[in-house]
Amino acid sequence: GAVVSQHPSRVICKSGTSVKIECRSLDFQATTMFWYRQFPKQSLMLMATSNEGSKATYEQGVEKDKFLINHASLTLSTLTVTSAHPEDSSFYICSARDKIPGRQPQHFGDGTRLSIL
Amino acid sequence: DAKTTQPPSMDCAEGRAANLPCNHSTISGNEYVYWYRQIHSQGPQYIIHGLKNNETNEMASLIITEDRKSSTLILPHATLRDTAVYYCIVRVANQAGTALIFGKGTTLSVSS
Repeated sequence: GAVVSQHPSRVICKSGTSVKIECRSLDFQATTMFWYRQFPKQSLMLMATSNEGSKATYEQGVEKDKFLINHASLTLSTLTVTSAHPEDSSFYICSARDKIPGRQPQHFGDGTRLSIL
Repeated sequence: DAKTTQPPSMDCAEGRAANLPCNHSTISGNEYVYWYRQIHSQGPQYIIHGLKNNETNEMASLIITEDRKSSTLILPHATLRDTAVYYCIVRVANQAGTALIFGKGTTLSVSS
């Protein structure tokens, strides 16, 4: 089945640093990739939607200059949290939509747990 | 996408059937019912989806009422590994460019 690989699975870094998270579709081409954020005991919140080769569309309240998204190919999207601060600590999950429609509307990665000290 | 309503939590004994309800009274004729689950500290996992007819796969069964205003996800023999948050989502199939929107879901706790 379709697999979405997300890396790293966990990262701990100092306040002020930038962190890059990669999301890859391993055996399918993803026309659209989505980034979600999840705080403890809460549901997934959509941050942004990106289509290959074009700028991402951000949800209301999500700062595009803080959360940089690059979707350079049909199999790779990256999320960079710039100048991260403790309030950015969260569980970040990427998701990809297959170019060829199938059963599932979206395939999900296993998430990246980001902790900012 | 139509709104869904799920109970916040449910308990189930190991080996018994877990029946998770979902109300979607404003569902449109071309909207499907999708079920995902999220085990702690993992990404959401697809379970099953349906339009009108009942569906069954290796993981679960989905029963949709005739008026399509509600549905029930059935895990026939729940195990401890089925402890997770279960999300019922209603949307048009193959709706390009739009993301799945997650509600609060139902936290299912399976105990021995």
